[in-house]
Amino acid sequence: DAKTTQPTSMDCAEGRAANLPCNHSTISGNEYVYWYRQIHSQGPQYIIHGLKNNETNEMASLIITEDRKSSTLILPHATLRDTAVYYCIVRVLNYGGATNKLIFGTGTLLAVQP
Amino acid sequence: GAGVSQSPSNKVTEKGKDVELRCDPISGHTALYWYRQSLGQGLEFLIYFQGNSAPDKSGLPSDRFSAERTGGSVSTLTIQRTQQEDSAVYLCASSFSGAKDDTQYFGPGTRLTVL
Repeated sequence: DAKTTQPTSMDCAEGRAANLPCNHSTISGNEYVYWYRQIHSQGPQYIIHGLKNNETNEMASLIITEDRKSSTLILPHATLRDTAVYYCIVRVLNYGGATNKLIFGTGTLLAVQP
Repeated sequence: GAGVSQSPSNKVTEKGKDVELRCDPISGHTALYWYRQSLGQGLEFLIYFQGNSAPDKSGLPSDRFSAERTGGSVSTLTIQRTQQEDSAVYLCASSFSGAKDDTQYFGPGTRLTVL
């Protein structure tokens, strides 16, 4: 699986959009970009994933550059409850036998400020 | 619907004792994963189950660690002769597997403390 690079920490004002960048310059054509977050003392929570098109769900938007070497997770209106470590992961999806393990990096600690 | 559940939520044991950690995956999920998160180590993969078989055990740190899954559902992670370095949060995840979307959903974890 390709490695990712994320800033160690970021601050965001409550109510503002939080834009979390991720570099994955060695990503392969069949690797997906996944985002998870981990709020203190809880298990990781799935947020969103994509291959090459931008994606949006009720939690966030994922913008993937045309060359797929980087992406940005957008939380449109950050709240204090969004304070967490955000992990960007790239992985190949293998079905029926081969492992689909997630390889977590160090992530970005997003601190939403009141 | 119900998510992944794990028990116990906390476990304190003495060095040298055996412990068993339990994971109940989301109903219908055929794939199950164990990870652990040590202080300062981040999240690391331990083992992957597809049904009752484990095609990837590459993350198990030593032969003191073992896991099994029965009936394609519940899984148990067993640590024998626990050591202080085994102290960590042990996380279980499950996924539908075989479909287009193979998102893993995590449980709340079991915090293991070895004294």
